[in-house]
Amino acid sequence: AQRVTQPEKLLSVFKGAPVELKCNYSYSGSPELFWYVQYSRQRLQLLLRHISRESIKGFTADLNKGETSFHLKKPFAQEEDSAMYYCAPSEYGGASKIIFGSGTRLSIRP
Amino acid sequence: DAGVIQSPRHEVTEMGQEVTLRCKPISGHDYLFWYRQTMMRGLELLIYFNNNVPIDDSGMPEDRFSAKMPNASFSTLKIQPSEPRDSAVYFCASAAGRGGTDTQYFGPGTRLTVL
Repeated sequence: AQRVTQPEKLLSVFKGAPVELKCNYSYSGSPELFWYVQYSRQRLQLLLRHISRESIKGFTADLNKGETSFHLKKPFAQEEDSAMYYCAPSEYGGASKIIFGSGTRLSIRP
Repeated sequence: DAGVIQSPRHEVTEMGQEVTLRCKPISGHDYLFWYRQTMMRGLELLIYFNNNVPIDDSGMPEDRFSAKMPNASFSTLKIQPSEPRDSAVYFCASAAGRGGTDTQYFGPGTRLTVL
């Protein structure tokens, strides 16, 4: 069965410290992977996708097929990064079914 | 574009009552998704449509839940009869089906409370 695991429900780090949000997936085939973010009182929105290989708001995520991981990283956390983060793999190609992880709440302490 | 529109934003009802949630996707998007978010289970996909046709409803919890998409600009999720365990935030999302552009755009959600 297809599965995505975010082992940390809550991650709290100090401002300026590095951040790593973990995501492991179990999927057949070659899924496309996304990170979605939900800031307080805002809509859930796409943060980044692995196929774009881009950095958004200082965040990057590297797909490690050997470890089946797609961890989200940022070298220096900022207070505005506090939010709920969801790892989400989908079947490759087209806007098909996405399975969202359980989410990790990131809290940045001043 | 105002993005995905959902109504109502909040709904409080009593057990046994019928509840209808509404969604207007972004114009031109041909995929529409309904999700439910709870503290215990996180964000769950209930059903999704492509070109107004239900593609996968395996996430619909039971027969009390039904969803329709009569046209490209409107969808409903109905719960009849409602139960307290249905209390959750229900999100609608839409996406364009062009290959490699799987971004889903979410609505603000409907917070449902069943007493």
